[in-house]
Amino acid sequence: DAGVIQSPRHEVTEMGQEVTLRCKPISGHNSLFWYRQTMMRGLELLIYFNNNVPIDDSGMPEDRFSAKMPNASFSTLKIQPSEPRDSAVYFCASSLDRGFTEAFFGQGTRLTVV
Amino acid sequence: AQSVTQLGSHVSVSEGALVLLRCNYSSSVPPYLFWYVQYPNQGLQLLLKYTTGATLVKGINGFEAEFKKSETSFHLTKPSAHMSDAAEYFCAVILNQGGKLIFGQGTELSVKP
Repeated sequence: DAGVIQSPRHEVTEMGQEVTLRCKPISGHNSLFWYRQTMMRGLELLIYFNNNVPIDDSGMPEDRFSAKMPNASFSTLKIQPSEPRDSAVYFCASSLDRGFTEAFFGQGTRLTVV
Repeated sequence: AQSVTQLGSHVSVSEGALVLLRCNYSSSVPPYLFWYVQYPNQGLQLLLKYTTGATLVKGINGFEAEFKKSETSFHLTKPSAHMSDAAEYFCAVILNQGGKLIFGQGTELSVKP
């Protein structure tokens, strides 16, 4: 398996634009996590899904952020409109058995909002 | 409320010296505990985990950690540091049956020659 695949790897956008980050989890995994990493706040859990259903989105910072998982092989994290403070590295991770065994991380998307 | 606390955002050791990275957690139920490592410009990868059973857990690259319930700790150790161990290390906990995986702030390990 190719592992968790995130796209794009890098994204530079202007303030106010819509940004969509994509994630393909490992086949057969039933849990998917979105994290944001910054120097100031560390690694924050934004939202996680189990069997394509959002279980906890309490970490989503504002209504500008939304996440979907239309099927077991694809998830998106959307920011609309984007702001400079959204600049961060966004990681997607997937796991079997809700992360109790191991969460596998993608390479991340480095987002810069100017 | 902070569920995982890592003491020391940056630890520096000499090559061959003992590595000790500290992690304390707060949980009202038996936790599942993890250590992950992140190399520059990469995602995180699992070093080791504690679920149930033996409290001393061995992981990859010579690392181990001991779950101490009385101290609510899960410190990571390695007897002899290698230059390739330089990375950022994250302690993590799953708080409930729902599988919410929460990470500490991370500790950056530097290894001096």
